[in-house]
Amino acid sequence: ETGVTQTPRHLVMGMTNKKSLKCEQHLGHNAMYWYKQSAKKPLELMFVYNFKEQTENNSVPSRFSPECPNSSHLFLHLHTLQPEDSALYLCASSSRGRDTEAFFGQGTRLTVV
Amino acid sequence: GENVEQHPSTLSVQEGDSAVIKCTYSDSASNYFPWYKQELGKRPQLIIDIRSNVGEKKDQRIAVTLNKTAKHFSLHITETQPEDSAVYFCAASITNRDDKIIFGKGTRLHILP
Repeated sequence: ETGVTQTPRHLVMGMTNKKSLKCEQHLGHNAMYWYKQSAKKPLELMFVYNFKEQTENNSVPSRFSPECPNSSHLFLHLHTLQPEDSALYLCASSSRGRDTEAFFGQGTRLTVV
Repeated sequence: GENVEQHPSTLSVQEGDSAVIKCTYSDSASNYFPWYKQELGKRPQLIIDIRSNVGEKKDQRIAVTLNKTAKHFSLHITETQPEDSAVYFCAASITNRDDKIIFGKGTRLHILP
């Protein structure tokens, strides 16, 4: 275990559904990330939060909506997704500053049907 | 923004031989370069990193080199073993600015018996 926990591990949803992915870290980190991992783009940065402030939105479609209520929790709200959004969604966290090793969660395998 | 290119995408090496993976980056302000290993079905994990004030770093069979002028860095694995088979990702980051970690597309390393 790296201290970064993601739930659920697997999710199947229809294109009209609304669901949320959750990420939790108890490492005292202040930066959290969402990455999308697919065959086409193996580790694609989606969002970055530093001290709960969103500092990066990497041209992600609005059907993905992140939320960071505190430094320990990060959510990814999903609505009206497309089949091409099926992928592994990885959360990571790090300490802003010198020790920037990112610790990854185990990911949520999302399938959009 | 930062762009990280990684080559090759696939690499097959005879057990006991060396493997080299190369990456280039575009943002000259990048100062932190981690390498992650992702085994099948598992999360990416940091194996070694290098900062811009250092040209080379070694950890047992793994070494990284950095050429800031040319903006490229490499991972060297010597005396390869079956457990080295995995996908390897290079990344670049700017610490103390936005800390976003941009990954290359990965190299699938196969160690042949």
